[in-house]
Amino acid sequence: EPEVTQTPSHQVTQMGQEVILRCVPISNHLYFYWYRQILGQKVEFLVSFYNNEISEKSEIFDDQFSVERPDGSNFTLKIRSTKLEDSAMYFCASPRAGTLRGEAFFGQGTRLTVV
Amino acid sequence: GQQLNQSPQSMFIQEGEDVSMNCTSSSIFNTWLWYKQEPGEGPVLLIALYKAGELTSNGRLTAQFGITRKDSFLNISASIPSDVGIYFCAGQGGSEKLVFGKGTKLTVNP
Repeated sequence: EPEVTQTPSHQVTQMGQEVILRCVPISNHLYFYWYRQILGQKVEFLVSFYNNEISEKSEIFDDQFSVERPDGSNFTLKIRSTKLEDSAMYFCASPRAGTLRGEAFFGQGTRLTVV
Repeated sequence: GQQLNQSPQSMFIQEGEDVSMNCTSSSIFNTWLWYKQEPGEGPVLLIALYKAGELTSNGRLTAQFGITRKDSFLNISASIPSDVGIYFCAGQGGSEKLVFGKGTKLTVNP
């Protein structure tokens, strides 16, 4: 199965601090997504990113969130000023190489704990 | 917004039994996906369905894309202990995002 890798696996941060979550998506793919999962709940869409631009975002993805592809391979999600309710698993995902959408493959996730 | 109703919420079965779970929606989806998630891990794709009426198997797993495009089911035959986990359905409509169900937590007793 194609691999999406995420770092760190776990991050603890103080409320109000900025965090950056990193993802290395399936190689040579232009489509990336970020999802989050609050403990015990369903997976929720945050944002999709295609060809270095946000193509779709949810109402969760407010001004505190941003995404970028700083070096052509890594894909980052930044939360500017974390809140307690940002504590969740954050997953990066990517479709299968050669396709634009559909079979999204997820990374192992970053567990963000805001204290 | 689009929502998926997934049932049952949890299942407790004996090893060797067959399992069935389903998802329904008030909205039409173009793609249905079924994922399995184990504790501390990301969702792992099991089956992808792209056409209304499509029936697809992956080993002991079988899933169908409903004719109305508003529902899908997943069956697991002859369950084994490693089938334990949370199973999520996910639908994709006219945009990139996947809409997930709330999951079915499966427990298999040896």
